[in-house]
Parts: sequence; C-alpha cells; structure tokens
Amino acid sequence: NAGVTQTPKFRVLKTGQSMTLLCAQDMNHEYMYWYRQDPGMGLRLIHYSVGEGTTAKGEVPDGYNVSRLKKQNFLLGLESAAPSQTSVYFCASSYSKYEQYFGPGTRLTVT
Amino acid sequence: TQLLEQSPQFLSIQEGENLTVYCNSSSVFSSLQWYRQEPGEGPVLLVTVVTGGEVKKLKRLTFQFGDARKDSSLHITAAQPGDTGLYLCAGATGNQFYFGTGTSLTVIP
Repeated sequence: NAGVTQTPKFRVLKTGQSMTLLCAQDMNHEYMYWYRQDPGMGLRLIHYSVGEGTTAKGEVPDGYNVSRLKKQNFLLGLESAAPSQTSVYFCASSYSKYEQYFGPGTRLTVT
Repeated sequence: TQLLEQSPQFLSIQEGENLTVYCNSSSVFSSLQWYRQEPGEGPVLLVTVVTGGEVKKLKRLTFQFGDARKDSSLHITAAQPGDTGLYLCAGATGNQFYFGTGTSLTVIP
C-alpha cells in the first residue's frame, strides 16, 4: 500500500495563477482532510470531506476550493494564488475520528 | 483561532534526561492525538487518548489525557537522539481536528 500520496511535491506560482493539488489514498478511508502548515502556526484545517461527494469548510477555507468526486481522491484548488498562500500543504485521511494518516506534503511558493 | 496551546515551544536536552510536553485548551475534545513530525515529512500518529484521565504508554513515552478532556501531556523518559522531532497534539471536535503549535525537541548525544 502506498498510503497517502500527494502531487506535486513542489510548486512555484506567480500571483494570480491557479493550480490543483491532488491527494490520493489507497486505504479505503471515508474521511479526508487538507491542511496548511506555517511556521509557528501548527497545522490548520482548510477543508475536509466525510465521504465521496461531500466537502466542508475547515478553519481557514478562504481562497481554496475542494472536490471529492472519487472516494480515493481529494483535490485542493487555488483559483487565484496569493503570496499569503505560500505554505506547506498536507493531505490526510482516516477511517474514524481517532487518527489521521498524512501524506508527505506539497511545498508551494507564490511569488 | 488557536484552540490548543503547546509548551514549551522549543526544548533542547541531553541524552538520558526526562522531559514533559504540555498541550492545553479551554475547549473539551472528544479525543486527543499526539503526532511526531520529521523535517520534510508529514506527521505520524503516536497515540490517541479518548477517555478523561486515560494514561497510555508507548515504550519510553507516556501520554495522559486530562480528567476534563481539555488538556494532555507527553512525558519522555531517558530521551534518546532518535526522539528528536516536532511533537504535535491535535484535538478532535465533531469532524474537525485542531492542532497545537508544536514542540520542537532536540536531544543532544
């Protein structure tokens, strides 16, 4: 099993450009999450999904959109990137509310 | 909104020493997890505590959930260089997890 994978690993965008981050899990988990990690801030939840076809806002959803068309995939979109979105993005999945399995992260820089 | 406060933020100790990391909140959580994160990698789950007052041991690591389910502590006995990393606590409320700011631990050989 690959666990949780994220694509791409690194990306540099110019302000105003758009992009999509892909998260895939092969553990048949119902729950999936997108976080951003910034120095001194810990991980903050952007959006999450409790099952295929569902999405919900987390703590810091502004400027991001998500989709969960297939159970194994959770996409995070930035429609118009801003320098404030420079961060490391982590995807996680779980089968219950008692644990999360994280991917390796995507380091995004917006210039 | 930072629901969980961790202390200390940084900790540098000698190999063989003991240490305790604290995770505090004014909110009640249905469960609380502890993760360890290495540079350039995602967090890895160490333990989940669910019941108020619960104590779990994982080799030299002891985790405790407060009676009121608002706080937790992680105690490491006889720290080793392999314990070096960023320790994160996370509380679950509804379908969401709230992470603490993290404790960066360095164990010097």
